[in-house]
Amino acid sequence: GQQLNQSPQSMFIQEGEDVSMNCTSSSIFNTWLWYKQDPGEGPVLLIALYKAGELTSNGRLTAQFGTTRKDSFLNISASIPSDVGIYFCAGPGSSNTGKLIFGQGTTLQVKP
Amino acid sequence: DGGITQSPKYLFRKEGQNVTLSCEQNLNHDAMYWYRQDPGQGLRLIYYSQIVNDFQKGDIAEGYSVSREKKESFPLTVTSAQKNPTAFYLCASSIVRGSWETQYFGPGTRLLVL
Repeated sequence: GQQLNQSPQSMFIQEGEDVSMNCTSSSIFNTWLWYKQDPGEGPVLLIALYKAGELTSNGRLTAQFGTTRKDSFLNISASIPSDVGIYFCAGPGSSNTGKLIFGQGTTLQVKP
Repeated sequence: DGGITQSPKYLFRKEGQNVTLSCEQNLNHDAMYWYRQDPGQGLRLIYYSQIVNDFQKGDIAEGYSVSREKKESFPLTVTSAQKNPTAFYLCASSIVRGSWETQYFGPGTRLLVL
């Protein structure tokens, strides 16, 4: 079945550093979503991408829809302690069911 | 305020006991979903429902049951058949207009076994 692979699995960075993470798939996706989950809470949608090559920003976050439609990237600039959490990529499942496929997540820790 | 509520925040289950997790939404969304999250892992779909009185199994439905008698509510029962129920359970909802829609999540319920 469809799978999304995120890398890295975890990151431990210094406050102020930039962060990059990516999500890849063996099959084509027509939409990419990026969610953030704070500790002990539900995921919250950060950015949605709908077109190959699209680059979308949300404050210090920038996400790109890869041109092959098999990958997506999320960058965080000038990280701050509240960026701590798990970042998930997601995309629609292949069947017409409304299901989303989620990656396994990238855990980010920021040292003040 | 519109949103998704889950209760309780923490739930303890004894061996052999069934427990029910509540999920309510006032977003007027058609579809609702239950996910299980284990440490260091992503979200795994347990059950989903796109319309009242209808639901489908997800990837890990064994040991769980659901009902969808009202549009606003999608309770999940963790039965005694689920041998490893300790996890963080997330409910989500979405509008159904096409083949998929952005899902909005509740705050989660953490289930622990005594």
